[in-house]
Amino acid sequence: DQQVKQNSPSLSVQEGRISILNCDYTNSMFDYFLWYKKYPAEGPTFLISISSIKDKNEDGRFTVFLNKSAKHLSLHIVPSQPGDSAVYFCAASGIGQGAQKLVFGQGTRLTINP
Amino acid sequence: DGGITQSPKYLFRKEGQNVTLSCEQNLNHDAMYWYRQDPGQGLRLIYYSQIVNDFQKGDIAEGYSVSREKKESFPLTVTSAQKNPTAFYLCASSISGAAEQYFGPGTRLTVT
Repeated sequence: DQQVKQNSPSLSVQEGRISILNCDYTNSMFDYFLWYKKYPAEGPTFLISISSIKDKNEDGRFTVFLNKSAKHLSLHIVPSQPGDSAVYFCAASGIGQGAQKLVFGQGTRLTINP
Repeated sequence: DGGITQSPKYLFRKEGQNVTLSCEQNLNHDAMYWYRQDPGQGLRLIYYSQIVNDFQKGDIAEGYSVSREKKESFPLTVTSAQKNPTAFYLCASSISGAAEQYFGPGTRLTVT
């Protein structure tokens, strides 16, 4: 049972435009959500997170939006840059999973075209 | 320079052999984790430890074992009982109670 889903395996965006990566979850006990960026053969790096008490969190070019009623979150990157080309994972944690256990989506490969 | 180190980067073993993957952190984090990543899939939790001398099974613990004798170290043994051991293995750590986990560079294990 995939509790965190990223339905788009890949996304291609023109440099300078907005990249929108989506993530859906099924477990209503999740109360904290994170986005990670991963380059090939490297470990993921933490990008941005959001608590369920918020609906938006911004950090520079990265903004995460949370729609609890739809159990959906999205990561916006604007403007997109070539260095943003990577695989992006969303992850969730919550009371039902134990405070420190993360459940990851399958990832979305983002390619920024010049 | 704080961080998480995993060694080696690439590891090759024959089927039927046990192999131990190293993970060391100098971030003074209490919690440590092991994940496995397969092509086209997300990270799946193998084992985690919230404190020294204590660890819990994750979602796919069968065929793996761990120890946590020191705060800084959380080695993972892939045993011969693991049916599909070839994968990319990632170690992570976090402050106790915090959701943000910080990852090492990973070890790619190939078993033939």
